[in-house]
Amino acid sequence: DIQMTQSPSSLSASVGDRVTITCRASQNIKTYLNWYQEKPGKAPKLLIYASSSLQSGVPSRFSGSGSGTDFTLTISSLQPEDFATYYCQQSFSTYTFGQGTKLEIK
Amino acid sequence: EVQLVESGGGLVQPGGSLRLSCVVSGFTFSNYWMSWVRQAPGKGLEWVANIKHDGSGKYYADSVKGRFTISRDNAKNSLYLQMNSLRVEDTATYYCARDHGVAAAGNDYWGQGTLVTVSS
Repeated sequence: DIQMTQSPSSLSASVGDRVTITCRASQNIKTYLNWYQEKPGKAPKLLIYASSSLQSGVPSRFSGSGSGTDFTLTISSLQPEDFATYYCQQSFSTYTFGQGTKLEIK
Repeated sequence: EVQLVESGGGLVQPGGSLRLSCVVSGFTFSNYWMSWVRQAPGKGLEWVANIKHDGSGKYYADSVKGRFTISRDNAKNSLYLQMNSLRVEDTATYYCARDHGVAAAGNDYWGQGTLVTVSS
């Protein structure tokens, strides 16, 4: 099974900051990597698919990159509504999620 | 508008069974793979199972293989998860999710979830 490891597990930042979250796969998953945002009491929301493709309706301050085993999600300028938990997910072989990164207000 | 509505959750004893349902609207159900994803209280997301658009292929997480069965009825726009031999560790909110129209691109629409509690 493919394991996904996110870092950091939690992160404090301020509105306007540039933030990067990383995700590492236990084996080569090419670009089969997706990113989600989850807020308390709500269903997860797909942000990025295929490593770098922005899902329809998602603001352009969100971007993704990477291939093989190492991937990043970047938020270029944090907005108040971006404080949430973020998950990566590999879709190379069924699906596996990372453990999540909680983004908190500094 | 795409909508997915889960039902069937509740309290069940260890070793018991439960069947979850998900009724969808706003898209052509028979064109899409579908998934179940769960989240234990205070924990992260765990993919449970998915099924091809025509039901001809079904895939499971190791943690539920042999105990859970995913199925669908395209005529009723409905997805199901039959859960048998339930364990305390199966306690979670279970989400129904549509697999993206782009192959292997994750899940683009989700329901609001139904809570399953396994406890004596």
